Amino acid sequence: SQQGEEDPQALSIQEGENATMNCSYKTSINNLQWYRQNSGRGLVHLILIRSNEREKHSGRLRVTLDTSKKSSSLLITASRAADTASYFCATDADGTASKLTFGTGTRLQVTL
Amino acid sequence: GAVVSQHPSRVICKSGTSVKIECRSLDFQATTMFWYRQFPKQSLMLMATSNEGSKATYEQGVEKDKFLINHASLTLSTLTVTSAHPEDSSFYICSALLGGRETQYFGPGTRLLVL
Repeated sequence: SQQGEEDPQALSIQEGENATMNCSYKTSINNLQWYRQNSGRGLVHLILIRSNEREKHSGRLRVTLDTSKKSSSLLITASRAADTASYFCATDADGTASKLTFGTGTRLQVTL
Repeated sequence: GAVVSQHPSRVICKSGTSVKIECRSLDFQATTMFWYRQFPKQSLMLMATSNEGSKATYEQGVEKDKFLINHASLTLSTLTVTSAHPEDSSFYICSALLGGRETQYFGPGTRLLVL
């Protein structure tokens, strides 16, 4: 299986704290993407980082990529209750966007 | 932009019946659509890649005769679960690839419960 691993599997923090989620993958990639999924809903694309990039920001999101370690991290700063969701990393398995391999996901709970 | 819809959002059926799920790209043409299955508290597993006007490409272990995929137009792909059984109960999600882009846009999912 090429499925990546994410840790932690579950994370509970208080509003205002930062949340960090990690993703490891197994194959060479063209890019890595992070998605959010609210319970029982579809996925929302958050950010894409290319294999030649090391860090990318989007609002309160910061993504890093270390291709030598085949790992990525997603940092959500100043978390809000509305950030409660599952977060998945996804890599393109064959160098194109035609097939995404998803990680196991991190369930984030942000409490007031 | 880049909105993908799915219909129905939820379906309950008896064992042995067939269920059709529609995936539509509402504001763009999608030459490629994907179908995923997600079991509770698990990740998404790609079932098949659907290209407009051609046969779908199924992932290893996915029965093409059981999960029929039709991509008749640039905005519509359908997944038919034939002779559904309780073990087919799952959350089915489609996505569409906007030509030239690297991002897949996901539908809201269809929850199938087979009794």
